[in-house]
Amino acid sequence: EAQVTQNPRYLITVTGKKLTVTCSQNMNHEYMSWYRQDPGLGLRQIYYSMNVEVTDKGDVPEGYKVSRKEKRNFPLILESPSPNQTSLYFCASSFQYRSNEKLFFGSGTQLSVL
Amino acid sequence: AQTVTQSQPEMSVQEAETVTLSCTYDTSESDYYLFWYKQPPSRQMILVIRQEAYKQQNATENRFSVNFQKAAKSFSLKISDSQLGDAAMYFCAPTASGTYKYIFGTGTRLKVLA
Repeated sequence: EAQVTQNPRYLITVTGKKLTVTCSQNMNHEYMSWYRQDPGLGLRQIYYSMNVEVTDKGDVPEGYKVSRKEKRNFPLILESPSPNQTSLYFCASSFQYRSNEKLFFGSGTQLSVL
Repeated sequence: AQTVTQSQPEMSVQEAETVTLSCTYDTSESDYYLFWYKQPPSRQMILVIRQEAYKQQNATENRFSVNFQKAAKSFSLKISDSQLGDAAMYFCAPTASGTYKYIFGTGTRLKVLA
């Protein structure tokens, strides 16, 4: 089944404790991206990747890191989480970035930083 | 910069009635597409409908249709014969070929009343 797998689904952590949210797609997609969703703000792009080893900042990259060592995986790393990073996070992918390509989304990660 | 505005944070519709969700955007790009995504309580993001900006004909997918006014930069979603399963958060997302970013609106929460 074609899908974007995101783990964990829920995560509670404490300030400063490094964490990684994993994202993997099995569709051979070139484009992958991360979003955070906050009430009243919609989805905001954190980072995106056009292909292996090619990543770039979205609109809200501060406090986050990503890597794209393999085509299928695009983990989101919070080196020192803070409470303002409490949010719902989505990973998404598409075959390529073209303006007509729809995004395939993971099921989301609800992160709480205490 | 590309921006998108959904001016209705919440709307309600009676089952079997018709409702229209509004979306306006601003872009300097000439090549772009417009998407509506639905997010039910399960959190899964689902593509509802897609419109090519170069097409004058409005897109239709079963009970869902758009009213695309290019000059006014308006892209509203009309849901006919509303069903309980239509209750969700709806996000408008214009995408332009030159930016490599997907921009989402702040969302409209639709309630369907039985």
